[in-house]
Amino acid sequence: DVKVTQSSRYLVKRTGEKVFLECVQDMDHENMFWYRQDPGLGLRLIYFSYDVKMKEKGDIPEGYSVSREKKERFSLILESASTNQTSMYLCASRLQGAGEQYFGPGTRLTVT
Amino acid sequence: ILNVEQSPQSLHVQEGDSTNFTCSFPSSNFYALHWYRWETAKSPEALFVMTLNGDEKKKGRISATLNTKEGYSYLYIKGSQPEDSATYLCAFHPGQNFVFGPGTRLSVLP
Repeated sequence: DVKVTQSSRYLVKRTGEKVFLECVQDMDHENMFWYRQDPGLGLRLIYFSYDVKMKEKGDIPEGYSVSREKKERFSLILESASTNQTSMYLCASRLQGAGEQYFGPGTRLTVT
Repeated sequence: ILNVEQSPQSLHVQEGDSTNFTCSFPSSNFYALHWYRWETAKSPEALFVMTLNGDEKKKGRISATLNTKEGYSYLYIKGSQPEDSATYLCAFHPGQNFVFGPGTRLSVLP
């Protein structure tokens, strides 16, 4: 079974703090993704990576950065957290091609 | 940005009822259409990956159809059970990244 894990289920941070969300997958998938999910909206793509040290902006990259130093790990960084970044963050991975994405359990981040 | 729509936004049915909902997506640049089930406090899980126009897929009481020419997919649940309560997401895959719809939230009342 593919397993995607995220470092925290719930996180509370203050405005201006630097926040790291970690994601690890154990199935040697090339592709990894970070999404955020807000009420009434679909999952929106923040950043994605097709290979180690490779990153591409998704639809809503502003205020975020990412790091992929190892194939199994994809980190999302909020350089200076703001209240509008309060959301559910989901990490996913998949093989190349038409295959499904495998999701982590999500991190509910609250920025106060 | 590509637009994927789902209807209805939410649905309440009685146990035993059959139900269906819709995913609409762009009819050009089609590569695949995915359905996911997302239960509260769990990770979204894939139900179906559909790639061919006219595809019909089935898993137990849940089935899905695909029309790529007109850009829609239906998800059907026969004889709904309380454990079917979840948000059902569709994702349009035009060849690079996925574009998710907002989901249909299904509540099955015992």
